[in-house]
Amino acid sequence: NAGVMQNPRHLVRRRGQEARLRCSPMKGHSHVYWYRQLPEEGLKFMVYLQKENIIDESGMPKERFSAEFPKEGPSILRIQQVVRGDSAAYFCASSPRDKGLETQYFGPGTRLLVL
Amino acid sequence: GENVEQHPSTLSVQEGDSAVIKCTYSDSASNYFPWYKQELGKRPQLIIDIRSNVGEKKDQRIAVTLNKTAKHFSLHITETQPEDSAVYFCAASKKSSGDKLTFGTGTRLAVRP
Repeated sequence: NAGVMQNPRHLVRRRGQEARLRCSPMKGHSHVYWYRQLPEEGLKFMVYLQKENIIDESGMPKERFSAEFPKEGPSILRIQQVVRGDSAAYFCASSPRDKGLETQYFGPGTRLLVL
Repeated sequence: GENVEQHPSTLSVQEGDSAVIKCTYSDSASNYFPWYKQELGKRPQLIIDIRSNVGEKKDQRIAVTLNKTAKHFSLHITETQPEDSAVYFCAASKKSSGDKLTFGTGTRLAVRP
């Protein structure tokens, strides 16, 4: 059973470009959470999605950031017009929440560097 | 919203000694408390978790205790080994908020051989 997959593992963008981060949950998990970790800091919740639905986006900046989890394919976190302050590690986690279990399993993360 | 505080921020122990990390939370409705270990450049890995209907849980050298009244929980690592060196994060969540995790700020544990 493959774990949570994320790609790319490293992403370099220049200011003003777009960044697309992908997350494939563990098999059988239909709940995905995205977290951001700034250097030397803890993880901060961004958004919680189920297939085709955004359940909670209270942690996501109102502008430039969007997320989706289509019926087929991975969850995507999209950052438009990136700025240096977007440089961070972005982790996704999945859980079998619909089975009554809240444990979240994390992917390896995407380290975004904005030049 | 939930706020989780974690202490200490750094901890250095001699190999074989015990390490204790403490967290407090603010939302009395929180009911799930996981602990994650994160090595440099790696993903957070779940090492143990506890639910609010349990006061203590143990898994080999790792134990977690929960005091719901005081709203604090602690991680205990006994017989520490150099490979325990990492950053440890506590977190809290509740079902009514979709189980999203609120993390503490982390404890950098160094185990001296």
